[in-house]
Amino acid sequence: DTAVSQTPKYLVTQMGNDKSIKCEQNLGHDTMYWYKQDSKKFLKIMFSYNNKELIINETVPNRFSPKSPDKAHLNLHINSLELGDSAVYFCASSSAGGAETQYFGPGTRLLVL
Amino acid sequence: QQQVKQSPQSLIVQKGGISIINCAYENTAFDYFPWYQQFPGKGPALLITIRPDVSEKKEGRFTISFNKSAKQFSLHIMDSQPGDSATYFCAASMRNDYKLSFGAGTTVTVRA
Repeated sequence: DTAVSQTPKYLVTQMGNDKSIKCEQNLGHDTMYWYKQDSKKFLKIMFSYNNKELIINETVPNRFSPKSPDKAHLNLHINSLELGDSAVYFCASSSAGGAETQYFGPGTRLLVL
Repeated sequence: QQQVKQSPQSLIVQKGGISIINCAYENTAFDYFPWYQQFPGKGPALLITIRPDVSEKKEGRFTISFNKSAKQFSLHIMDSQPGDSATYFCAASMRNDYKLSFGAGTTVTVRA
């Protein structure tokens, strides 16, 4: 059983398109996250939800919109994709706040052409 | 502004050697310091953690050293193996904060 799953695994699209990435966790965790990992492997937190409530919203362009339909799902919708959005996007979950282990998904590799 | 500074960016070590990665932080409110390991094409996974009231923690070949007064902590990989080749991230957070601040990562390559 996969603890944190993401779809799709790869996403290749043209500039200006709108795309979504889905994330599901079956760990029963209350908190979910979206991270962006750039080509230099730097991990940057984008958003975090706790019990479907947005608790972290870093300085991310408002073209990025997270949605949490329930505690087990956190989706990321990106409007008007730009070249600089090319990266690996990781979803993660944890049972609570900062002092708890975060479990990462396998990542979605987004390439904007 | 990066809250956790990590060095080196990359290192190459021979099989059986010691890999050492260093991290430093400024925020004295941080009280949880995990290390994550990421293999190519995979998501990061928790490797080992330490709290500031402990100066050293060892799990198998992996040891974390913590110097609270210097606000530094480090990961030592003893008897490095080719299977240890990965990117290692140090991180820090506060107990009641949902945000985990990651270092920039260190890519370790172990040559056979």
